[in-house]
Amino acid sequence: GDSVTQMEGPVTLSEEAFLTINCTYTATGYPSLFWYVQYPGEGLQLLLKATKADDKGSNKGFEATYRKETTSFHLEKGSVQVSDSAVYFCALNTGNQFYFGTGTSLTVIP
Amino acid sequence: DVKVTQSSRYLVKRTGEKVFLECVQDMDHENMFWYRQDPGLGLRLIYFSYDVKMKEKGDIPEGYSVSREKKERFSLILESASTNQTSMYLCASSLIGARGRDEKLFFGSGTQLSVL
Repeated sequence: GDSVTQMEGPVTLSEEAFLTINCTYTATGYPSLFWYVQYPGEGLQLLLKATKADDKGSNKGFEATYRKETTSFHLEKGSVQVSDSAVYFCALNTGNQFYFGTGTSLTVIP
Repeated sequence: DVKVTQSSRYLVKRTGEKVFLECVQDMDHENMFWYRQDPGLGLRLIYFSYDVKMKEKGDIPEGYSVSREKKERFSLILESASTNQTSMYLCASSLIGARGRDEKLFFGSGTQLSVL
């Protein structure tokens, strides 16, 4: 069935470090791919999305490219800030429902 | 600003109690969803609804039921709460898009339920 696998956390980085959170997916159709972020005490909110192969989603300095050949949608940011500390979820939508990864907790220290 | 509102941020109940979790959205969205979020398991879909009075089971519906009497409101019911239902519950809504798979979810802030 459809599923998402993302790297386990927690991840701890120093401010201004480079961030990569890996995400791979399994889907029978042509899914849209998403990254959601959950700040402490809040619900999830959309960070970025890509709807077809080779699309790049970007927002707030974060980027992810839809790679059909490797079935991946890795999240990257060149220079993280303390305010980026949150839990990040990779997700796909095939049109029937959303499937979420288990989440990766990121802590950025000054 | 668009909003999904969950009635309680924290809730403590006793085993065997009937529990109602309420969710209201002000965006006129057709779709509404209930997830539970547990460490290491991510989000798991309990129930969803595509229209008023319509409901569909998700991946883990056992021990839960739902009600959607009005478009803006989607209630999750724990008929007889048990300790293994202690969790964070998240409500979400979305539009039915022409391409379906492109529509994003809008989430509420969540209800942390503890069953003692």
